[in-house]
Amino acid sequence: AQSVTQPDIHITVSEGASLELRCNYSYGATPYLFWYVQSPGQGLQLLLKYFSGDTLVQGIKGFEAEFKRSQSSFNLRKPSVHWSDAAEYFCAVGEGGSSNTGKLIFGQGTTLQVKP
Amino acid sequence: KAGVTQTPRYLIKTRGQQVTLSCSPISGHRSVSWYQQTPGQGLQFLFEYFSETQRNKGNFPGRFSGRQFSNSRSEMNVSTLELGDSALYLCASSLFLNTEAFFGQGTRLTVV
Repeated sequence: AQSVTQPDIHITVSEGASLELRCNYSYGATPYLFWYVQSPGQGLQLLLKYFSGDTLVQGIKGFEAEFKRSQSSFNLRKPSVHWSDAAEYFCAVGEGGSSNTGKLIFGQGTTLQVKP
Repeated sequence: KAGVTQTPRYLIKTRGQQVTLSCSPISGHRSVSWYQQTPGQGLQFLFEYFSETQRNKGNFPGRFSGRQFSNSRSEMNVSTLELGDSALYLCASSLFLNTEAFFGQGTRLTVV
């Protein structure tokens, strides 16, 4: 069965510092991978996705993520964090390929706090 | 282009009642899926629809049901509400089943 692990429940970084949020997945084949962000009381906003091809993907708001098949990881990075980045971040896995489902399995989320 | 619209945004219901939540997907999107978000269980898949047919269902009791209309709008229904059904219910739309999903703002359901 697919699973997604976000090892860090809570991360605090200073504004302007770099950020890396970890995500590990368990899946037999190459899945579709996503990062979403959620502000309090809001829905999920898609930051970026990986379907195939270049393993380094660029997203919105200056975020990027790198797919590492050997480590089953899809870590999210940002070179310089802004106070407005404080939110909860979710990594998600879809079955990908020729699957006929869009079902997503989510990690438990990482709450990012940004210090001024 | 308008995003995914969920109505209502907030709802308070009493145990034993039933509730219907609505989701209008992005124009042109044909797939709608539903998720339940709670502090304890996180984000859990409820079901997904494509071309008015339920294609996949999560591990939820039969009290949870849904449907999709010919215009791709979807509704989900929860009957005989329990306190544990209190959650944020999120709807996501995608062009087809296996393309990226875009989420609505959610409906916050509180069962008292």
